[in-house]
Amino acid sequence: QVQLVESGGGLVKPGGSLKLSCAASGFTFSEYYMTWVRQAPGKGLEWISYISSSGTTIYYADSVKGRFTISRDNAKKSLFLQMNSLRAEDTAVYYCVRDYKEGAIDYWGQGTLVTVSS
Amino acid sequence: DIQMTQSPSSLSASVGDRVTITCRASQGVSYYLAWFQQKPGRAPKSLIYAASSLQRGVPPKFSGSGSGTEFTLTISSLQPEDFATYYCQQYYTDPRTFGPGTRVDF
Repeated sequence: QVQLVESGGGLVKPGGSLKLSCAASGFTFSEYYMTWVRQAPGKGLEWISYISSSGTTIYYADSVKGRFTISRDNAKKSLFLQMNSLRAEDTAVYYCVRDYKEGAIDYWGQGTLVTVSS
Repeated sequence: DIQMTQSPSSLSASVGDRVTITCRASQGVSYYLAWFQQKPGRAPKSLIYAASSLQRGVPPKFSGSGSGTEFTLTISSLQPEDFATYYCQQYYTDPRTFGPGTRVDF
């Protein structure tokens, strides 16, 4: 079955960096676009970035553009999110999700919590 | 960016009720609309894509309809496990924006 397992979250100071990982299994990772979605405590969902199956097409939401970098390693079936210049408003649970038909999300990971605080 | 709104923001219902949630887009998104369910402390679960197609394993008590700018999610007979927050999302254009959510409780 499809599994997405995020890791790498934790407590970081404002201005710091963190790299999230997502280990995929149960499907042919190299055939799917992948996306990161986040959710601040008590708030709604925010779509932040996607990467094409080959890694050649990438999109970022304005809220993270220039600070976050999405990447993938198809050989290792892994998705990454490098987060730099972190701000308090980046505090959230970060979900790794799989894009299905024409960009629809079908599977979600369990999420990893990132807390940006001094 | 396309703005998504949902109504109502919350609703109280009882087991067995038929519940309808509306999602509106600030501009047309064709049929590129998805619905998600989220329970407290849990990751969201995908329910519907392409406005009306059920994701694998989702029971047919959930149904979606609409196109363009107005969409609905209907739960035909509410069960205890359906009390949750429901989000819509357009994936017609980037950024793929979510609605603010509709909380369904007792």
